[in-house]
Amino acid sequence: QITLKESGPTMVKPTQTLPLTCTFSGFSLSTTGVGVGWLRQPPGKALEWLALIYWDDDKRYNPSLKSRLTIAKDSSKNEVVFTMTNMDPVDTATYYCVYIISGRLFDSWGQGTLVTVSS
Amino acid sequence: DIQMTQSPSTLSASVGDRVTITCRASESISFYLAWYQQKAGKAPSLLIYKTSNLKSGVPSRFSGRGSGTEFTLTISSLQPDDFATYYCQQYNSYFVTFGGGTKVEIK
Repeated sequence: QITLKESGPTMVKPTQTLPLTCTFSGFSLSTTGVGVGWLRQPPGKALEWLALIYWDDDKRYNPSLKSRLTIAKDSSKNEVVFTMTNMDPVDTATYYCVYIISGRLFDSWGQGTLVTVSS
Repeated sequence: DIQMTQSPSTLSASVGDRVTITCRASESISFYLAWYQQKAGKAPSLLIYKTSNLKSGVPSRFSGRGSGTEFTLTISSLQPDDFATYYCQQYNSYFVTFGGGTKVEIK
């Protein structure tokens, strides 16, 4: 059974950096074809893909946010770390960690973590 | 980026109804279209991938079809558990994008 769980601060101030960790089980990020990604969903709005990292350390970012995002993996710890710099109130959203198959299919999701950006 | 447009944004229906949701892409995405279901307060879950393939465990009342730029999700007989918001996603490019969602409400 695949599980993913997001952890990190629930509130950050404007201009701060948001660090999030995805801790997963039920698969290995060393397995060919596997990836882990991050998405977000502002309250009442649609989903937005942010970043993903594959088993071979290939990383991809949403072009519109690329300058603010970083993703990295620690396969030995079954963790993926994600950071977003220069946070703004419009970045208030639920952030999801996902298990990726077939390139860009989001097969399993974490429960999500609501991050509020406010001074 | 590829824009995904879903219609309708809200759909009111009764248990037993046949419902269809449409998703249009701003350019051809071949068959690389997925559908997700999101219940209130929960994370989305994958229903259908590559236009018409049901994920294991998804009831057969769900079906998908289409190609190129126009796709549909059909629920043949709406059940109480199906009242949720549905999102389409294109994954033809690395910059994956989602539709705005269709909320299926109880009539």
